[in-house]
Amino acid sequence: AQTVTQSQPEMSVQEAETVTLSCTYDTSESDYYLFWYKQPPSRQMILVIRQEAYKQQNATENRFSVNFQKAAKSFSLKISDSQLGDAAMYFCAYKGGNSGGSNYKLTFGKGTLLTVNP
Amino acid sequence: EAGVVQSPRYKIIEKKQPVAFWCNPISGHNTLYWYLQNLGQGPELLIRYENEEAVDDSQLPKDRFSAERLKGVDSTLKIQPAELGDSAVYLCASSFRTQAGYNEQFFGPGTRLTVL
Repeated sequence: AQTVTQSQPEMSVQEAETVTLSCTYDTSESDYYLFWYKQPPSRQMILVIRQEAYKQQNATENRFSVNFQKAAKSFSLKISDSQLGDAAMYFCAYKGGNSGGSNYKLTFGKGTLLTVNP
Repeated sequence: EAGVVQSPRYKIIEKKQPVAFWCNPISGHNTLYWYLQNLGQGPELLIRYENEEAVDDSQLPKDRFSAERLKGVDSTLKIQPAELGDSAVYLCASSFRTQAGYNEQFFGPGTRLTVL
C-alpha cells in the first residue's frame, strides 16, 4: 500500500520570504501522480500543483514549485514570496497512474499547517 | 462554473441520533467521492461512485453508514446512529472520468459534524 508522510506538523514563514514543505512517499508503482493541496481554515481544499512521475522536470505554478526526487521518493513544495493568503493546511497526496487498479484513489499525508507572519 | 456544494456546513447532534449530509457535484462530473477527515489528519476515502453505482465502498463502515447517489448526480451520506467518534469533517469531491483515466478531483467545503 502507498503511504505519504509529512514530517512537519507546523511551519511558519515571514511574509515575502520563501518556505519549503517536505513530503516523502512510499510506493512500488512506477507510474503515479503527486499533488499538493491547500486547505484554508473552514474552506474547501484546492489543488496547488501536480507532478507526473514520468516527468523529470519539476512542476511550477507561479510562486509554487516542487522539488521531485523520484529515487529518494521525495516531493517538497516551495512557496516563494509568501503572502498572508498562503496561510493554510497543506496536504501532500499520491495517486496511482492511469494503468493501475488504484488510479482513482488519493492517499493523503497528515498535513502541514503553514502560518505566514506579517 | 459552480463548485461542489455540500450542506449543511456544520451539524451538531447528540450521540445515537441520525444525521445526513448532502452533496451536489460539479455539473457533468460522473465520479463522486465521500471522504472522512479527522482532526489533524488528511482525508480518507469512504466511498466512490461512478454515476449511480458505488464501485468502491470498502472503507465505509456499513453497520452505521450508508450512502446513495440517485440518478447519478446528487449524493447523500447518512450515519445512524451517530457515535462520539464520528465527529469529523465529511468531504465530498467529484471528477470526470475519461477513457484515459481519472482526472482532477474537486472538493467541496465539507460538513463539520460534532457529536455530543
